[in-house]
Amino acid sequence: SQQGEEDPQALSIQEGENATMNCSYKTSINNLQWYRQNSGRGLVHLILIRSNEREKHSGRLRVTLDTSKKSSSLLITASRAADTASYFCATDAENAGNMLTFGGGTRLMVKP
Amino acid sequence: DTEVTQTPKHLVMGMTNKKSLKCEQHMGHRAMYWYKQKAKKPPELMFVYSYEKLSINESVPSRFSPECPNSSLLNLHLHALQPEDSALYLCASSQVGKSPVLARLEAFFGQGTRLTVV
Repeated sequence: SQQGEEDPQALSIQEGENATMNCSYKTSINNLQWYRQNSGRGLVHLILIRSNEREKHSGRLRVTLDTSKKSSSLLITASRAADTASYFCATDAENAGNMLTFGGGTRLMVKP
Repeated sequence: DTEVTQTPKHLVMGMTNKKSLKCEQHMGHRAMYWYKQKAKKPPELMFVYSYEKLSINESVPSRFSPECPNSSLLNLHLHALQPEDSALYLCASSQVGKSPVLARLEAFFGQGTRLTVV
């Protein structure tokens, strides 16, 4: 079952612009993760933010987490054409055992 | 070695065939997963193995039969599938979370098997 929704479903920007994707979820979580998927291939882990953290950075990525609103955002700064992919948030829910539940995903296209 | 290797990459099978998907990792991870992904949809969890024991079955039809022969291998046996089972099947592995707050469940995914049922 899908834990939450991602917004927008699709995003098209020019190279150099910033891209912001949002994720909402429904249950209490231990952590939230963001993954990237190039077309028809496996998922690559980008960043993990724990439930007691509010913001995390990794290179050009910035993730925020608001547990009161049950939402997270992923910001990619200075986007590149190579960032074109689908981005998914995934939650590790409390009392859910070892499982990740994925949001619907945002398809990002970065035009050169 | 941070790879999860899935074979085959592509598989076409008839509805009466029996086939198996294979997944292998050598990262010492004791949790392994099967996900199913349809086009333009998120991955949907099918099965979770923890310490080689099936811990989660997300109400998957019995025509899908998982097997975890040892801590490095995960198989998915397929029998009498339907055309609607055509999808990308993803295997993943992770450490087993021990503490809810400190658990780090970064999952490593294979490249998937593209399955077509005809």
